[in-house]
Amino acid sequence: QVQLQESGPGLVKPSQTLSLTCTVSDGSISSGAYNWTWIRQHPGKGLEWMGHIYDTENSSFNPSLKSRLTMSLDTSARQFSLKLTSVTAADTAVYFCGRVWFTYGLIDHWGQGALVTVSS
Amino acid sequence: DILMTQSPASLSASVGDRVTITCRASQSIRRFLNWYQQMPGKAPRLLIYAASNLQDEVPSRFSGSESGTDFTLTISSLQPEDFATYYCHQSYSTPWTFGQGTKVDLK
Repeated sequence: QVQLQESGPGLVKPSQTLSLTCTVSDGSISSGAYNWTWIRQHPGKGLEWMGHIYDTENSSFNPSLKSRLTMSLDTSARQFSLKLTSVTAADTAVYFCGRVWFTYGLIDHWGQGALVTVSS
Repeated sequence: DILMTQSPASLSASVGDRVTITCRASQSIRRFLNWYQQMPGKAPRLLIYAASNLQDEVPSRFSGSESGTDFTLTISSLQPEDFATYYCHQSYSTPWTFGQGTKVDLK
């Protein structure tokens, strides 16, 4: 059973960069069947797709975040990462990583979520 | 962006009730519609994909259907473990978007 786990600082200062890593427990993350995604959820709110990455050359980002967002893959470590620059309090959220079966665009495995608070 | 309008925002029901949640897409998304269940403090869990396909290990009391741009999640007989928030999700085009969620609680 594939498991995903987010890791990274739980507190980030305004204007700094939020960095999170998702470690995939099993299998290759360079498998052709899957993309790797980040979804966030503001406190008490709904789900927001941030973007997904297929390989180092192919990714897709939410236009609302595109100017501040970077995603990367480290296939040897079975990890993928998120960097969000110039954060504000509005970026305070629970960040989930997930595995996407891109044939249907479904997210079949999720990390448990990581709360990141932006505050000085 | 494709707007997913989910209704109702909340509903109260009893164990054994039949529950229906609807999601309307602002344009055609074919059948690229998924449903997730989220318990408080937990990650979402995939229930239904491609409008009507039951994900592995999801109880058969959950079902999905589609009629044009209208999608429905039905729980045929609500169980105590089904009290949660449910989200629809379109994966037809980016940016992927979610419905606002439907919170199902105990009447």
